[in-house]
Amino acid sequence: AQSVTQLDSQVPVFEEAPVELRCNYSSSVSVYLFWYVQYPNQGLQLLLKYLSGSTLVKGINGFEAEFNKSQTSFHLRKPSVHISDTAEYFCAVRAPAGGTSYGKLTFGQGTILTVHP
Amino acid sequence: GAVVSQHPSWVICKSGTSVKIECRSLDFQATTMFWYRQFPKQSLMLMATSNEGSKATYEQGVEKDKFLINHASLTLSTLTVTSAHPEDSSFYICSAPRTQTNTGELFFGEGSRLTVL
Repeated sequence: AQSVTQLDSQVPVFEEAPVELRCNYSSSVSVYLFWYVQYPNQGLQLLLKYLSGSTLVKGINGFEAEFNKSQTSFHLRKPSVHISDTAEYFCAVRAPAGGTSYGKLTFGQGTILTVHP
Repeated sequence: GAVVSQHPSWVICKSGTSVKIECRSLDFQATTMFWYRQFPKQSLMLMATSNEGSKATYEQGVEKDKFLINHASLTLSTLTVTSAHPEDSSFYICSAPRTQTNTGELFFGEGSRLTVL
């Protein structure tokens, strides 16, 4: 089984400042890692994913994340945020197993990013 | 544009009635779809896996008689909340993988907010 912990429930930040949203996971097997963004009353949009290869992953909207296997972390970063980045962000993991389990994403609790002018 | 669509986006119903939520893959076939539930200010919890041509697979603790899932075609899955009660009020989100591999991205619908009075 996998679990995901997002260490901050809320992160307030000023516009154009850098931001880091933290995510740690626990799993007995290798996992795939994802970050999703959710705007109010909407579904989830994929920001980026780590499957294998380079540990630094670049996503949409200027976000990037770094996979750290030894620390079991997958923190999300953006060097300069905009007002439009205000949303809730979810870290998720998925075990690369076969069968019907391949779609089962385990989500973290979510981090609400609020960008102030 | 959206590749997975849900309908309705909002629904209000009286206690004791049943509500049906549709999830459609718009430009691809999905033999598997996933239904999630999100309580206010909480993360997404997988409810069940909808399988075209066979019974849905429910997660532990989810009442299959309460939440009826029918995967009617390769592009449509429905979730019916039977005899709804106020505690069933929640945000329901479906997702579908575009490719039948474990690295395939999951696309999420816009979500359906159910309010039971």
